[in-house]
Amino acid sequence: RKEVEQDPGPFNVPEGATVAFNCTYSNSASQSFFWYRQDCRKEPKLLMSVYSSGNEDGRFTAQLNRASQYISLLIRDSKLSDSATYLCVVNMRGSARQLTFGSGTQLTVLP
Amino acid sequence: DVKVTQSSRYLVKRTGEKVFLECVQDMDHENMFWYRQDPGPGLRLIYFSYDVKMKEKGDIPEGYSVSREKKERFSLILESASTNQTSMYLCASRRIDAEKLFFGSGTQLSVL
Repeated sequence: RKEVEQDPGPFNVPEGATVAFNCTYSNSASQSFFWYRQDCRKEPKLLMSVYSSGNEDGRFTAQLNRASQYISLLIRDSKLSDSATYLCVVNMRGSARQLTFGSGTQLTVLP
Repeated sequence: DVKVTQSSRYLVKRTGEKVFLECVQDMDHENMFWYRQDPGPGLRLIYFSYDVKMKEKGDIPEGYSVSREKKERFSLILESASTNQTSMYLCASRRIDAEKLFFGSGTQLSVL
């Protein structure tokens, strides 16, 4: 079983739609969680960290469910510019492997 | 803004060649990383370095070695390139007390 699993998609949604991605992780000792965004043929960039209490940044909301070992990303009122691959990233503190990346979920927002 | 620079955007090499991929960061970060990214498996860690001259194997170190002689530079070496090493290679760095990774723009390596 992969340490971090995501639905690869693709998710094709119309502009203005709300879309949600989930990500599950296998190691219950995992300490910190992130969503990175990767545009086509570009490098990944940090979108947001995910906190236990949940956190919001504009149209983006991230949530963590430790009991079920998953994190989620919700995008409201999606824009064409949100089209990208979203990578779920997990860090188990003290792990020599540092950050573990999911394979990514591809989102295309259609006009 | 932090800048992580990879020496080549595209590289074409032949099987058996020795290949050097260079990465330089300008923010005095202690930690540096080399990943490869492939469809399916996604981003996988090859090697990382805590500090100068310190390195540890990641998930897929076979066929690779690294060098970190200076803090700002982390090199990935393919001693004898093989076709299964055709991939996108991404370098990253971060401060020792921070979680955020800064990536270079990647090197697309093709081994023929």
